[in-house]
Amino acid sequence: GEDVEQSLFLSVREGDSSVINCTYTDSSSTYLYWYKQEPGAGLQLLTYIFSNMDMKQDQRLTVLLNKKDKHLSLRIADTQTGDSAIYFCAESISGSGNTPLVFGKGTRLSVIA
Amino acid sequence: DADVTQTPRNRITKTGKRIMLECSQTKGHDRMYWYRQDPGLGLRLIYYSFDVKDINKGEISDGYSVSRQAQAKFSLSLESAIPNQTALYFCATSDPSRDRGIGNEQYFGPGTRLTVT
Repeated sequence: GEDVEQSLFLSVREGDSSVINCTYTDSSSTYLYWYKQEPGAGLQLLTYIFSNMDMKQDQRLTVLLNKKDKHLSLRIADTQTGDSAIYFCAESISGSGNTPLVFGKGTRLSVIA
Repeated sequence: DADVTQTPRNRITKTGKRIMLECSQTKGHDRMYWYRQDPGLGLRLIYYSFDVKDINKGEISDGYSVSRQAQAKFSLSLESAIPNQTALYFCATSDPSRDRGIGNEQYFGPGTRLTVT
């Protein structure tokens, strides 16, 4: 079965780096996603990584994928107060485009000024 | 204009009442989903639909029903609301056949906050 685990809270100081971690169980996942939910809003896709990649960088965001350990992380460099939000990890299962994404419980990032 | 809209945005209702939450999309996507969000529990899938004639139960479908009236519309009903259905409800859409090379990306509506007293 599929399961995605995340820690629930993370607090960092403005300007520091944030690292949000996620573990998943389905080794056949093809895509792994990070969604961001700002207060009072729906989820928006922040970034993603394809399963044949180890790393993806997009401006202040770095995604690292360790397929052996089924571990995904999101690093936000120079964290700003506007980065305060809930971050969800999600996986898409390989070869079964007919299943919805599986989401983690979300990590609430608090940025202290 | 928003691609995925939900109405109402906020609703307070009493135990035992029937309530319907509506979702509309202008993205032309075939797939639509209903989730509920509770603090510390993340997103849990209630129902999903891959086209107008396809409806599937999700993880927590008990106490809920859905109707896919058209490709663009997917409504969620609580036949007899109870307090533990108080939550934030999200509709989402996707269409892997049109993806931008990133798989089954889902697009979310702004949510409906439902309170059952």
